[in-house]
Amino acid sequence: SAVISQKPSRDICQRGTSLTIQCQVDSQVTMMFWYRQQPGQSLTLIATANQGSEATYESGFVIDKFPISRPNLTFSTLTVSNMSPEDSSIYLCSVGDGANTGELFFGEGSRLTVL
Amino acid sequence: AQSVTQLDSQVPVFEEAPVELRCNYSSSVSVYLFWYVQYPNQGLQLLLKYLSGSTLVKGINGFEAEFNKSQTSFHLRKPSVHISDTAEYFCAVSDFAGTYKYIFGTGTRLKVLA
Repeated sequence: SAVISQKPSRDICQRGTSLTIQCQVDSQVTMMFWYRQQPGQSLTLIATANQGSEATYESGFVIDKFPISRPNLTFSTLTVSNMSPEDSSIYLCSVGDGANTGELFFGEGSRLTVL
Repeated sequence: AQSVTQLDSQVPVFEEAPVELRCNYSSSVSVYLFWYVQYPNQGLQLLLKYLSGSTLVKGINGFEAEFNKSQTSFHLRKPSVHISDTAEYFCAVSDFAGTYKYIFGTGTRLKVLA
């Protein structure tokens, strides 16, 4: 299993500002994933972050809005840029189990409220 | 394209009663199926998964699910719920475990009443 720590756990932000979310894993992992969980909705994959390469974004998500860094095998950041109230969500970092059995491990999430 | 449907957004049930949370999926390829639970203010935790083999899968906390290919369903069951089972439950599908590309359902909020 993997233990994932996210910072901040929650924040209130002003429209037009940017916020960076950090994700730290207690073991080395190849793939890290960033999900968005909007209020009352399911999880949507934003992007896959591999160390040493650019993140791969899902349809509807772009690098300018959600730049991602992956400097090493245990750490990643997601920035939410030029925020609007529609960006108010829980952002979740996750990693695979490394054994190709499909299990994902999740951090506790970062709850952002944009005013 | 794959999709997951959880028809019940909320399910209230009394403590010690049985519960079934429904999940239906659509996919043109073989799938791997998962149930995750999210307790308040926490991340998601795997309850159980179906990759292959027996269609009845047992998970943690007394939960089980049955994969029914003909009905494209993967319903989650527990014979007797506890107050501590109050949480959000997500069904998810992936076309291949190695990619970790999941499609999640919209979730079912299970509320266990005393």
